Amino acid sequence: EAGVAQSPRYKIIEKRQSVAFWCNPISGHATLYWYQQILGQGPKLLIQFQNNGVVDDSQLPKDRFSAERLKGVDSTLKIQPAKLEDSAVYLCASSSTSGSSYEQYFGPGTRLTVT
Amino acid sequence: GESVGLHLPTLSVQEGDNSIINCAYSNSASDYFIWYKQESGKGPQFIIDIRSNMDKRQGQRVTVLLNKTVKHLSLQIAATQPGDSAVYFCAEWTRTTGNQFYFGTGTSLTVIP
Repeated sequence: EAGVAQSPRYKIIEKRQSVAFWCNPISGHATLYWYQQILGQGPKLLIQFQNNGVVDDSQLPKDRFSAERLKGVDSTLKIQPAKLEDSAVYLCASSSTSGSSYEQYFGPGTRLTVT
Repeated sequence: GESVGLHLPTLSVQEGDNSIINCAYSNSASDYFIWYKQESGKGPQFIIDIRSNMDKRQGQRVTVLLNKTVKHLSLQIAATQPGDSAVYFCAEWTRTTGNQFYFGTGTSLTVIP
């Protein structure tokens, strides 16, 4: 089974520029998550989708961050404009709604550096 | 908000010894806990989980212990190997917070050959 795919793996931008990240979850996984992981910290949930609907975006800085999951499969996360404090690894994860486990499968992440 | 913390940010062990990584959580209503392993440049990888109605769960070379009285979680790794070197996170999930996992800061485990 293929894992969660993310691109790009690395991105360097200047502050006030915009950037977009792409995620392709595991086939058949209805739930998709975007996390922000600042160096030395644990992942922090930004947004959670169930199919193509938003379940939780309470920690998403909506003035600059946006995300969508068209057709309930792939997802994109956008930052516009970027700030220095947005430098982090952006992780995408997916999980299945079936079964008794809430196990999330993570992608390799996109490392964003804002200069 | 939620608070999931780890007692030690770094841990060094000799190869072959057992490792114990600890985690404290603050929400007594948390239903479910997961331990993740994160190697450099990779996303977190599921190791083992435990529900709040259990005290102990064993996997391959790993054991998770849950003490709800003191809100403490531990991960025990038997016969630690160099490949176990990574950052380990505990994450808690509470039904009342709407399917959101809260991750701790992480403990960096270094295995000395």
